[in-house]
Amino acid sequence: GAVVSQHPSRVICKSGTSVKIECRSLDFQATTMFWYRQFPKQSLMLMATSNEGSKATYEQGVEKDKFLINHASLTLSTLTVTSAHPEDSSFYICSARDSGQGWTGSPLHFGNGTRLTVT
Amino acid sequence: AQSVTQLDSQVPVFEEAPVELRCNYSSSVSVYLFWYVQYPNQGLQLLLKYLSGSTLVESINGFEAEFNKSQTSFHLRKPSVHISDTAEYFCAVTHTGGGNKLTFGTGTQLKVEL
Repeated sequence: GAVVSQHPSRVICKSGTSVKIECRSLDFQATTMFWYRQFPKQSLMLMATSNEGSKATYEQGVEKDKFLINHASLTLSTLTVTSAHPEDSSFYICSARDSGQGWTGSPLHFGNGTRLTVT
Repeated sequence: AQSVTQLDSQVPVFEEAPVELRCNYSSSVSVYLFWYVQYPNQGLQLLLKYLSGSTLVESINGFEAEFNKSQTSFHLRKPSVHISDTAEYFCAVTHTGGGNKLTFGTGTQLKVEL
């Protein structure tokens, strides 16, 4: 089945530093990827939609200068948390849709998430 | 706009007992509905989905969900649960033209006990 690889699975960084999270579709192409943030015991909140070769679309309230998204190829999207602060600590999950299947109803394939801890 | 409500945040159940996880949605247009399962510190895995056709959909591991348009529900059921079913379950909705932009419920923690 379709696999989305997300790295790193865990990262601890100091306040003020930047962290990059990678999301790769291993056996399919994804023109669109999604980045979610999940707080403990809460649902997934969509942060942004990453589009290959163009700018990401951010949800309301998400700081685009803080959460930089790059989708330079059909199999890779990156999320960079810039100048991280303790309140950015969270579980970040990416997902991707197989472009070859087209919509409708093709399911999103999720990465295993990245646990970010900012000290 | 659309929304998803999962009324039960936690559902404890004994092994081999039946279980129902409730999901209600709100949308002004036709919807597609999904159930995802999340194991600790992992991403989400698709359990089953309703797009059209038969209102009863099944997964390969014994779960089923029924789309009820009049009650705007998509409850998840399993007649006999196993310890390995312990996980967080999320109901999600999108619509035609939604472009895979899913709206998730707040999740239900299913805890199966011996």
